[in-house]
Amino acid sequence: GEDVEQSLFLSVREGDSSVINCTYTDSSSTYLYWYKQEPGAGLQLLTYIFSNMDMKQDQRLTVLLNKKDKHLSLRIADTQTGDSAIYFCAEKPPGYSTLTFGKGTMLLVSP
Amino acid sequence: EAGVTQFPSHSVIEKGQTVTLRCDPISGHDNLYWYRRVMGKEIKFLLHFVKESKQDESGMPNNRFLAERTGGTYSTLKVQPAELEDSGVYFCASSSGLAGGPLQFFGPGTRLTVL
Repeated sequence: GEDVEQSLFLSVREGDSSVINCTYTDSSSTYLYWYKQEPGAGLQLLTYIFSNMDMKQDQRLTVLLNKKDKHLSLRIADTQTGDSAIYFCAEKPPGYSTLTFGKGTMLLVSP
Repeated sequence: EAGVTQFPSHSVIEKGQTVTLRCDPISGHDNLYWYRRVMGKEIKFLLHFVKESKQDESGMPNNRFLAERTGGTYSTLKVQPAELEDSGVYFCASSSGLAGGPLQFFGPGTRLTVL
């Protein structure tokens, strides 16, 4: 089965850039996602990328994909205290219904 | 447009009792999913409805769990009888499109605690 691995914790200072990393094992074409969970809230879809893309940028968020190494990263520029949350990496091959999640990376942003 | 809603937000029950969780998907979404996160673990898929039919229930842990989606609108997930290991956060998600579509939108989750 597929595996998605993430580091569990990241601490940064407000204004710095944050980089959250993820590796996956599925070798077929796949969608890759970043979800955000704030305390007490549900999962918010932040962004996603298809595995034929190398990069996607959306305002302060940049997703980079190294398909050879099956490595996905989420960069948050100018990190704010409101970005403190758990970030989940997930993947889903086209035509499949199941999202496979990592354990989540807790991002703590200090003033 | 209203998002996915779930009820209740929290439930605390004793081992052996029954609990029913409800999910209302985004209006018009034929696909409805249930996931569960046990503390410290990954979010795991439970099952997938297309309208009122179970498309994939490979993630359901055992026969104490029963999911229904009568009429193809809201869904319920019943746990009977509940065990301690059933504690966790139960998420519901919905999507449109064939083959489940690429984007699943999640509700806020129901936190279940079994004592």
